[in-house]
Amino acid sequence: QKEVEQNSGPLSVPEGAIASLNCTYSDRGSQSFFWYRQYSGKSPELIMFIYSNGDKEDGRFTAQLNKASQYVSLLIRDSQPSDSATYLCAVGGGSGTYKYIFGTGTRLKVLA
Amino acid sequence: KAGVTQTPRYLIKTRGQQVTLSCSPISGHRSVSWYQQTPGQGLQFLFEYFSETQRNKGNFPGRFSGRQFSNSRSEMNVSTLELGDSALYLCASSTEGPYEQYFGPGTRLTVT
Repeated sequence: QKEVEQNSGPLSVPEGAIASLNCTYSDRGSQSFFWYRQYSGKSPELIMFIYSNGDKEDGRFTAQLNKASQYVSLLIRDSQPSDSATYLCAVGGGSGTYKYIFGTGTRLKVLA
Repeated sequence: KAGVTQTPRYLIKTRGQQVTLSCSPISGHRSVSWYQQTPGQGLQFLFEYFSETQRNKGNFPGRFSGRQFSNSRSEMNVSTLELGDSALYLCASSTEGPYEQYFGPGTRLTVT
């Protein structure tokens, strides 16, 4: 079992719709959870982080964390073509370490 | 505040050579992590430094090494380069692991 799993996609949504990206992780001791957006040829850009169970909203983005189910998700409301990118889920602090483990990413395509 | 900077941005080396990459973290950040990103393997953790000490290391051969200086700047070195070392090398900094970390633009290494 991979430590951090994401569906590779592509996930295609029409412009203006809600895009829902999901991530599961295996280490129950993980402490911090992140979503990065990466455009082709560029480095990852941090867009959301969450440390406790529940929802966290920032603009059009909402991160949701459920530690009991070892599940973290990202919702993008009113999706725009400029949101088309690969979204990386990262999990930090597992097993008492300072390491961050990344998923392989979900490619999102927003269709105009 | 200036972001994470990496030099050089692009490098072309020959098999068997060695290479040194440099990373300057965001001011005030003391944790620096290095990653290798390839299309096939995604983002792979190399190592993490905090206050000049390596705290975590990924599953890479000993040819990959790093260090951190007292001003938190970090370098990584790859000796005896192999074709498979061609990748985007990313540096990320944070105030303290495992909190939110920010990536530099990366160094694109091509080994011929």
